[in-house]
Amino acid sequence: DIVMTQSPDSLAVSLGERATINCKSSQSVLSSSNNENYLAWYQQKPRQPPKLLIYWASTRESGVPDRFSGSGSGTDFTLTISSLQAEDVAVYYCQHYYATPYSFGQGTKVEIK
Amino acid sequence: QVTLKESGPALVKPTQTLTLTCTFSGLSITTSGVRVNWIRQPPGKALEWLARIDWDDDKFYSTSLKTRLTISKDTSKNQVVLTMTNMDPVDTATYYCAHISTSKSFDYWGQGTLVTVSS
Repeated sequence: DIVMTQSPDSLAVSLGERATINCKSSQSVLSSSNNENYLAWYQQKPRQPPKLLIYWASTRESGVPDRFSGSGSGTDFTLTISSLQAEDVAVYYCQHYYATPYSFGQGTKVEIK
Repeated sequence: QVTLKESGPALVKPTQTLTLTCTFSGLSITTSGVRVNWIRQPPGKALEWLARIDWDDDKFYSTSLKTRLTISKDTSKNQVVLTMTNMDPVDTATYYCAHISTSKSFDYWGQGTLVTVSS
């Protein structure tokens, strides 16, 4: 099974500043057949289901603000919030969908400093 | 518009079997490419994928829980059912059903249903 590890577990960022979350998979999630990384990022606010932000490691879901961006390939990935807004306070999860069993990272809590 | 909704008991006793139902609209479980999953989240903890069933009745399970899980579908009701045997207090969690796309991953989620395991 692929294990997903995020860092840090939490971070506090000032409004308007950059937030960076890292995610590492225990094996590559890059497909040789289509050269896509099967890596997604989700945002979860209290008492809500997760919301898909990024898929294919770097493609923003429709309606997601462009301050959210994803990067990386193979086993190392990053979610960046370029200018943190108050509404971005949430827990963020990475997740691989390379094959079953799927797995999520442990989550990173983003707060306002 | 795709919507999914989970239903089931809010409270189960240890050793009992849990049965959860996911009812969805805006997509059909008989349509090629439709894949419905169950995912859970203990209070304050991370998400854990449990199982998936596809339009062609392929089924996939969590490695650690596969001996306790059964996923099935009722095409006439557009529902997916998950059963989990031998429930324990550590299984207390919000249980979500979600659709997975081969390109986007989990693109549609239900609101979740909280299941508490307690005597």
